[in-house]
Amino acid sequence: GAGVSQSPRYKVAKRGQDVALRCDPISGHVSLFWYQQALGQGPEFLTYFQNEAQLDKSGLPSDRFFAERPEGSVSTLKIQRTQQEDSAVYLCASSLSVSTDTQYFGPGTRLTVL
Amino acid sequence: AQKVTQAQTEISVVEKEDVTLDCVYETRDTTYYLFWYKQPPSGELVFLIRRNSFDEQNEISGRYSWNFQKSTSSFNFTITASQVVDSAVYFCALSDLFTGANNLFFGTGTRLTVIP
Repeated sequence: GAGVSQSPRYKVAKRGQDVALRCDPISGHVSLFWYQQALGQGPEFLTYFQNEAQLDKSGLPSDRFFAERPEGSVSTLKIQRTQQEDSAVYLCASSLSVSTDTQYFGPGTRLTVL
Repeated sequence: AQKVTQAQTEISVVEKEDVTLDCVYETRDTTYYLFWYKQPPSGELVFLIRRNSFDEQNEISGRYSWNFQKSTSSFNFTITASQVVDSAVYFCALSDLFTGANNLFFGTGTRLTVIP
């Protein structure tokens, strides 16, 4: 596709449920990033992939958060045993090559944990 | 440590007025990149500009212009003759080698409302 796509756009989960958020980067983009954006705040870095390798996961807030990109294209962010504080918009971005290239963002997935 | 400050939380202007959004940054690195993104109500972050720390030339793109001043660690964004479609949240962001240059560090954003 022309841009980064994410699905679902909206997700409502009950506390304790597991969720999986999908990101389709721009075709050919090597780098992929996940960010979390709380209401009224700027996005905060979660994790970074270069192809299938997860090079930085320093921003993942707990071991309930897990991300993968097994074939170096589509990525999935999984949150286990969701908590209310996980409610946020999860943004995915991709860039053409090395990490300092411009990042292009998808529309995000708004997660609400009840 | 790196930091991006957008002191203006909300700004309202009347259509056709000029408006400047401020961004002040902190970094230990001499090589870094600065960005501006626009986030309209739809939620998607739209890339506007990327500058590296070695290029202090100001840039103009249509009604948009950017003023990069290393001496004051500022990267301000001006919209001339504002339009209703400019209403959005605008984020300034920093990427530097100290953080591994793997991620963008964002400010808290400035919500711009252009009143018709």
